[in-house]
Amino acid sequence: NAGVTQTPKFQVLKTGQSMTLQCAQDMNHEYMSWYRQDPGMGLRLIHYSVGAGITDQGEVPNGYNVSRSTTEDFPLRLLSAAPSQTSVYFCASSYSRATNEKLFFGSGTQLSVL
Amino acid sequence: GDSVTQMEGPVTLSEEAFLTINCTYTATGYPSLFWYVQYPGEGLQLLLKATKADDKGSNKGFEATYRKETTSFHLEKGSVQVSDSAVYFCALSDNDMRFGAGTRLTVKP
Repeated sequence: NAGVTQTPKFQVLKTGQSMTLQCAQDMNHEYMSWYRQDPGMGLRLIHYSVGAGITDQGEVPNGYNVSRSTTEDFPLRLLSAAPSQTSVYFCASSYSRATNEKLFFGSGTQLSVL
Repeated sequence: GDSVTQMEGPVTLSEEAFLTINCTYTATGYPSLFWYVQYPGEGLQLLLKATKADDKGSNKGFEATYRKETTSFHLEKGSVQVSDSAVYFCALSDNDMRFGAGTRLTVKP
């Protein structure tokens, strides 16, 4: 099983550039989410989706867009990158949004915005 | 809103030492509680979980008990190994997973 696959692993952007972080899962999970990980702050939820065609904002959504056209894919778009978006980004999925469901994580994307 | 506070690190121990990483939570409802572990260069993976008060989660020698009276979920292991060196995250789920800041553990031979 591939699980949750994220690409790219590393990316360097200039301020103002746009890019899309890709995330795909092969477990038929309904729930998918994006987190950013910053030192001393743990992981913070950016956006999430409970199924194809349904997305919602998390704790830190500004500057990011998402869409969910299929069950498998949940890309994260940075429309105009800023240095404050330098971080490690993780995609995660689970069977549902229920409180007792564990998350399966991808291996992360390290993004630097210059 | 709901939140998690865990002890700040880093924590450095010798092999076979006893480990405790403290975690307390604030929640209005009845969340599930989790410990995740992150090894270098990898994503987080579930270590253990507990879904209701007084439940004990356990895995790979690690344990944590869901204490509603003290709103705590402390992680313990009786004898750590070098291979336990990683970052440990306490988390709660009230539909969305909320994480603590993480505690880096280094175990020396």
